[in-house]
Amino acid sequence: AQSVTQLGSHVSVSEGALVLLRCNYSSSVPPYLFWYVQYPNQGLQLLLKYTSAATLVKGINGFEAEFKKSETSFHLTKPSAHMSDAAEYFCAVSVGTTDSWGKLQFGAGTQVVVTP
Amino acid sequence: DTAVSQTPKYLVTQMGNDKSIKCEQNLGHDTMYWYKQDSKKFLKIMFSYNNKELIINETVPNRFSPKSPDKAHLNLHINSLELGDSAVYFCASSLRSRLQETQYFGPGTRLLVL
Repeated sequence: AQSVTQLGSHVSVSEGALVLLRCNYSSSVPPYLFWYVQYPNQGLQLLLKYTSAATLVKGINGFEAEFKKSETSFHLTKPSAHMSDAAEYFCAVSVGTTDSWGKLQFGAGTQVVVTP
Repeated sequence: DTAVSQTPKYLVTQMGNDKSIKCEQNLGHDTMYWYKQDSKKFLKIMFSYNNKELIINETVPNRFSPKSPDKAHLNLHINSLELGDSAVYFCASSLRSRLQETQYFGPGTRLLVL
């Protein structure tokens, strides 16, 4: 069975500091991994995704994530936090047993607070 | 241009009522989904349709019934609403149902059952 675990339900960072959000996955097959962001009272927006093309994935708004098979991790980083990065971040794995369908299984989410 | 839209945005209703939520996408996708986000922000898939055919049906009470009149629309009807149904319901769509496809989410429908 495939799943993701996000370490830390709340992260507080200072404006300009590094943002690091941790995600570990469990999968018996090569996973497809996603990071989504949810701003208050809005839907989810894709930040980036890993589909086995490259282990370092660059996304929108200066975010990137590195797929590390040996560590079963897909941590999200941003070198310098901005006040507008305050949001809920979700790591997700696409779950399926065939190539014909898939569903997203989400982690519990990490709330990011950015302080001036 | 709104990619995935949902109506209504807010829904407040009494226990026992029946209500529907509508979803429309103008992305030309052939697969649509319903997710439920609970009060702790946990997201869980409920249903998925591909070309109007139900392909994912999670363990959801049969009071919830999805309907897809065409590829661009997926509605969710809920009978006999209960307090525990209070949540945010998100519609999503993707170009195909395959594992690596990006799902695009609507803004959500906030349902409060009193």
